[in-house]
Amino acid sequence: DSGVTQTPKHLITATGQRVTLRCSPRSGDLSVYWYQQSLDQGLQFLIQYYNGEERAKGNILERFSAQQFPDLHSELNLSSLELGDSALYFCASSTHGNYNEQFFGPGTRLTVL
Amino acid sequence: GNSVTQMEGPVTLSEEAFLTINCTYTATGYPSLFWYVQYPGEGLQLLLKATKADDKGSNKGFEATYRKETTSFHLEKGSVQVSDSAVYFCALNQYIQGAQKLVFGQGTRLTINP
Repeated sequence: DSGVTQTPKHLITATGQRVTLRCSPRSGDLSVYWYQQSLDQGLQFLIQYYNGEERAKGNILERFSAQQFPDLHSELNLSSLELGDSALYFCASSTHGNYNEQFFGPGTRLTVL
Repeated sequence: GNSVTQMEGPVTLSEEAFLTINCTYTATGYPSLFWYVQYPGEGLQLLLKATKADDKGSNKGFEATYRKETTSFHLEKGSVQVSDSAVYFCALNQYIQGAQKLVFGQGTRLTINP
């Protein structure tokens, strides 16, 4: 158990809908990261937050947004969903600094029908 | 930009065989390097890491050495077990002014037969 929790575990929805994925980082970690894992794109970095502020952005679509709240939990919002958004979404957390590894949650599997 | 290339899978071995999974990277600066493992139905777990050239990371019998001259971080294990069956990801940590992200290779699926 990494100490990072994600809810829900599974999510099935229809095209055009909006969903929210939730992540709670390890106790004491200020950085939260979101990754998408799909068969065709592999594991891709989406976005990083540090203590409530956006720090880095990767291949995140404009239909997607995220935030980190004062209690450090984070939410990833996906809207106008398309079939191609079906994927595993991972949250990770770390302490601040260059050499610190990221600890991953169990992921949320999103299926868009 | 930074990138990681892993050997193509899947890889199938017999129990007690020697394992090598190749990983090479392209990066500016001096990134940290990682191997993560993903067991079926689970998230990624850190297997080992190395933060500078010539560092050797090791864990659970797995080893990898950070080779700056060949830009490589190959994963090795002397004698694999059925329980090592999983997908292995090589990654580098790109850190610039407080912003950081992991750049992953495509993953290598390993199956160990008894």
